[in-house]
Amino acid sequence: DAKTTQPNSMESNEEEPVHLPCNHSTISGTDYIHWYRQLPSQGPEYVIHGLTSNVNNRMASLAIAEDRKSSTLILHRATLRDAAVYYCIHSINFGNEKLTFGTGTRLTIIP
Amino acid sequence: EAQVTQNPRYLITVTGKKLTVTCSQNMNHEYMSWYRQDPGLGLRQIYYSMNVEVTDKGDVPEGYKVSRKEKRNFPLILESPSPNQTSLYFCASSLSGSSIQPQHFGDGTRLSIL
Repeated sequence: DAKTTQPNSMESNEEEPVHLPCNHSTISGTDYIHWYRQLPSQGPEYVIHGLTSNVNNRMASLAIAEDRKSSTLILHRATLRDAAVYYCIHSINFGNEKLTFGTGTRLTIIP
Repeated sequence: EAQVTQNPRYLITVTGKKLTVTCSQNMNHEYMSWYRQDPGLGLRQIYYSMNVEVTDKGDVPEGYKVSRKEKRNFPLILESPSPNQTSLYFCASSLSGSSIQPQHFGDGTRLSIL
């Protein structure tokens, strides 16, 4: 299974940027990097994904290292609603889009 | 509103009593999947379906059955539930089985098997 390593927990102040790191040293050339988050009492929610280039969407930015062995999810201005568990996943594309979730990073936002 | 709907949200039942958890999506997605989430183990895939009448085992299929007779529905069946199937279950769907398609998850079903 595809393995990623993330810190267990992080804290950030409200309205500050947050950088969530992820190591995925076993990633291969065709694996995508996905980020999902899970708010309390909800199912996981897609945040962003990328292959090689940095990616931006309305929720976040994804910065991918040149060797692709690590990536960083950037929340530009954290709000209390961003408090969640964030999962970094790299998918092995063989037709079944199985997402192997690890234990993720629990992000706490301090008002 | 685009969504994946699971029912029931909570269920307490007893060992051996057959139960079905329904999952329905309104996005015309081809791919659907069931996961279970347990503390310290993350989400693990139970079964998946690439399209109507096409289902296959995930990582932890023992004790579960699924069917995909219609595109929108993907029920999870526990023929003879046991306490080790007490867990939080999520249904998910995506446009296709490609790794670049985001998956949409339901809000979960918490099952307790006594």
